[in-house]
Amino acid sequence: AQSVAQPEDQVNVAEGNPLTVKCTYSVSGNPYLFWYVQYPNRGLQFLLKYITGDNLVKGSYGFEAEFNKSQTSFHLKKPSALVSDSALYFCAVRDAGSARQLTFGSGTQLTVLP
Amino acid sequence: DADVTQTPRNRITKTGKRIMLECSQTKGHDRMYWYRQDPGLGLRLIYYSFDVKDINKGEISDGYSVSRQAQAKFSLSLESAIPNQTALYFCATSDPSGGRSDTQYFGPGTRLTVL
Repeated sequence: AQSVAQPEDQVNVAEGNPLTVKCTYSVSGNPYLFWYVQYPNRGLQFLLKYITGDNLVKGSYGFEAEFNKSQTSFHLKKPSALVSDSALYFCAVRDAGSARQLTFGSGTQLTVLP
Repeated sequence: DADVTQTPRNRITKTGKRIMLECSQTKGHDRMYWYRQDPGLGLRLIYYSFDVKDINKGEISDGYSVSRQAQAKFSLSLESAIPNQTALYFCATSDPSGGRSDTQYFGPGTRLTVL
């Protein structure tokens, strides 16, 4: 079975400060990990994914995520937050060896305060 | 993503009514998915289809059915709607050339309210 947890329902950060949105996962094999963002009244948009290789993955809009196998984590980061980054963020996982579908986390609402 | 369209965008219906939500895509992807989103629960998979003849139940398929009319069209039906099916429904597609690491592309969603 595969699962993903986003331990924070809400993250607030001041504009210009670094931001982190946390994600931990559980799979029996190797993971494929994804981050998606949802703006109000819109569908989900792909930000980045980890398949294999470099543990630091760079994605759209200046976001990056670090894969940590020992801590089974894939936290989303950005060095300097913008007000326009305010949105709902979802982490998702698929077991690379066996699963046909993604499992999504419950989402984290990021608010960047001006 | 304009390449994945959903109709209707909003729908209010009554308990017991049959409802169909439609999804069309111009991305040329073989794989299509239906999810529902509920506050605090994230997205949960209802059904997925890897090609026209390959349709599979997801995590929460009870009370739903699907039809894959063509590569580009995937419809979700609620045979007899009930209030706890009130949710935001998303269609998504992906390209099988990505294997299990394929990226999914989402439509804008359909907000369904069952009274």
